[in-house]
Amino acid sequence: QVQLQESGPGLVKPSETLSLTCTVSGVSMSSYYWSWIRQSPWKGLEWIGYIYYSGRTDYNPSLKSRVTMSLDMSKNQFSLKLSSVTAADTAVYYCVSGVPYFDFWGQGTLVTVSS
Amino acid sequence: EIVMTQSPATLSVSPGERATLSCRASQSIGTNLAWYQQKPGQAPRVLIYGASSRATGIPARFSGSGSGTEFTLTISSLQSADFAVYYCQQYDNWPPCSFGQGTRLEIK
Repeated sequence: QVQLQESGPGLVKPSETLSLTCTVSGVSMSSYYWSWIRQSPWKGLEWIGYIYYSGRTDYNPSLKSRVTMSLDMSKNQFSLKLSSVTAADTAVYYCVSGVPYFDFWGQGTLVTVSS
Repeated sequence: EIVMTQSPATLSVSPGERATLSCRASQSIGTNLAWYQQKPGQAPRVLIYGASSRATGIPARFSGSGSGTEFTLTISSLQSADFAVYYCQQYDNWPPCSFGQGTRLEIK
């Protein structure tokens, strides 16, 4: 059974960089695509991007200029960095397996952008 | 970007009855559509992909239909565990994919 767990700061200051890590268990990371999705009351569910085990990435064009994803297969982890955050980036962030639909989800972590 | 519109926003149905949820795409997406269920405090769970294929472990009372721009999720004989929020997601024009705003299924 695939299990995913997000970790990272729950509070980020405006203009700083949001950094989250997802730890994967129960499956080889070379088996899936790995995505980040966020959910907020004002935008609903929003796909941020994915990374494949080869290192290939693809990002939502609306966030592309601020997003970087990376992968550490030795630790069974993948990561998200979102730069220059504003209050509009406040959301629950999920790490997810699968593309183009999403079959396994982490529990989600709330990230609040506030000074 | 393809806009997904779900209706109704809230649906009130009695246990044991059938629920029909709709999702409309702003342009044709073939059958590149998935449905998710989300309960309070939990992550979404995929129910249907390819518009009509049930995901692993999903009960047969959940069924999906449609193609092009009009899609339906039907839940026959509602159980208490089925009252939740349901989202549709298109993945035809990828990237990005896009989600509907959700339909809340509540107990009547």
